[in-house]
Amino acid sequence: QVQLAESGGGVVQPGRSLRLSCAASGFTFSAYAFHWLRQAPGRGLEWVAVISYDGTELHYADSVKGRFTFSRDNSKKTLYLQMNNLGIADTAVYYCARVRIDESTYDAFDVWGQGTMVTVSS
Amino acid sequence: SYVLTQPPSVSVAPGQTASISCGGNNIGRKSVHWYQQRPGQAPVLVVCDDTDRPSGIPERFSGSNFKNTATLIISRVEVGDEADYYCQVWDGPSAHWVFGGGTKLTVL
Repeated sequence: QVQLAESGGGVVQPGRSLRLSCAASGFTFSAYAFHWLRQAPGRGLEWVAVISYDGTELHYADSVKGRFTFSRDNSKKTLYLQMNNLGIADTAVYYCARVRIDESTYDAFDVWGQGTMVTVSS
Repeated sequence: SYVLTQPPSVSVAPGQTASISCGGNNIGRKSVHWYQQRPGQAPVLVVCDDTDRPSGIPERFSGSNFKNTATLIISRVEVGDEADYYCQVWDGPSAHWVFGGGTKLTVL
């Protein structure tokens, strides 16, 4: 069964760091690109970052560039989102999602995890 | 940066057809994807590349994309279709992935 499962969310103080993980199963992990997306409470979807299938291409939303780092470990079939200098505006449910076409970075997101909540609060 | 505009809400009676628009500058030149998000759940891809349906999505879901407006069309609407719907494109010049603000579909 094709699945993504996020973990690592929680409550953190402003200015602190947090690392999210996304474990994949049921498909050839190394053949796909992935994205992180987020959704603030009561708000719409926001794209956060993308990593290509081979890890050579990375892009970030302007709101997180320089603070967040997206990486992947193909041996563990796991994605990571290192989030530094967190602010109140980063409070959201964070989703990882797979790109629909293998080796493509730009196609639709066909598999989503259930999401993990990050709350930034003093 | 590229902006996608959706109506905040659309209402429709069961059995009727719902149309949800997504406006963007020359959006007809881009591939548009649509996601359904029920309350408390992760989004689900319902239409990709303007008009294609992923495996498992009912034929009642379809799409169009021309000039400055893309549209998600849901025929024979059911109570279970009540959800938020988001359009999404890739904006090449900025290398950003963009979502519309979302439309809440209410089935009366």
